[in-house]
Amino acid sequence: KQEVTQIPAALSVPEGENLVLNCSFTDSAIYNLQWFRQDPGKGLTSLLLIQSSQREQTSGRLNASLDKSSGRSTLYIAASQPGDSATYLCAVRRRGSNYKLTFGKGTLLTVNP
Amino acid sequence: DTGVSQNPRHKITKRGQNVTFRCDPISEHNRLYWYRQTLGQGPEFLTYFQNEAQLEKSRLLSDRFSAERPKGSFSTLEIQRTEQGDSAMYLCASSAPGDHEQYFGPGTRLTVT
Repeated sequence: KQEVTQIPAALSVPEGENLVLNCSFTDSAIYNLQWFRQDPGKGLTSLLLIQSSQREQTSGRLNASLDKSSGRSTLYIAASQPGDSATYLCAVRRRGSNYKLTFGKGTLLTVNP
Repeated sequence: DTGVSQNPRHKITKRGQNVTFRCDPISEHNRLYWYRQTLGQGPEFLTYFQNEAQLEKSRLLSDRFSAERPKGSFSTLEIQRTEQGDSAMYLCASSAPGDHEQYFGPGTRLTVT
């Protein structure tokens, strides 16, 4: 059974700092990995999707990497801003015809002005 | 394209009552997913449809839960005889043919009193 772990559970940083969020998964037979952002009481916004054949994806100040063999992904946020404050979730989709995503519990990020 | 929409956004019901939620996916998205998220946890997969066919159901989906997607368009999730443990955010997502990225709606927050 796939298990996804996110460390740390919470992170507080001053504005402008670069930061890294970590995600690990137990079953390396994944099809892709997706990073989401969730604001309090809201739905999920997709940030980046990395296919299993890829090593990283970039969007603006965000960079996600994937090391499938070690079961790890990182989300790097450059020059953090107070508006980045949210919960960040990673989710993996298993290889095969199964389309469901297995999520971690998320990292609650607070960026202080 | 207005994104995935869900109604209602909030529902408060008494234990034992039946509730029904609706999800409208992004136009022309053939896959539709339901997830449940409790406080402090990541979303957990409930079920998914490809067009009108329900292809997978989680063991979380007890006999009190039923989901439909008539004509492969919108979907409904019904919970019969609600219990306090059903209190959660119910999230719907959709994805397009050949696109493995899942796009989430704002969710329906259910409170069972």
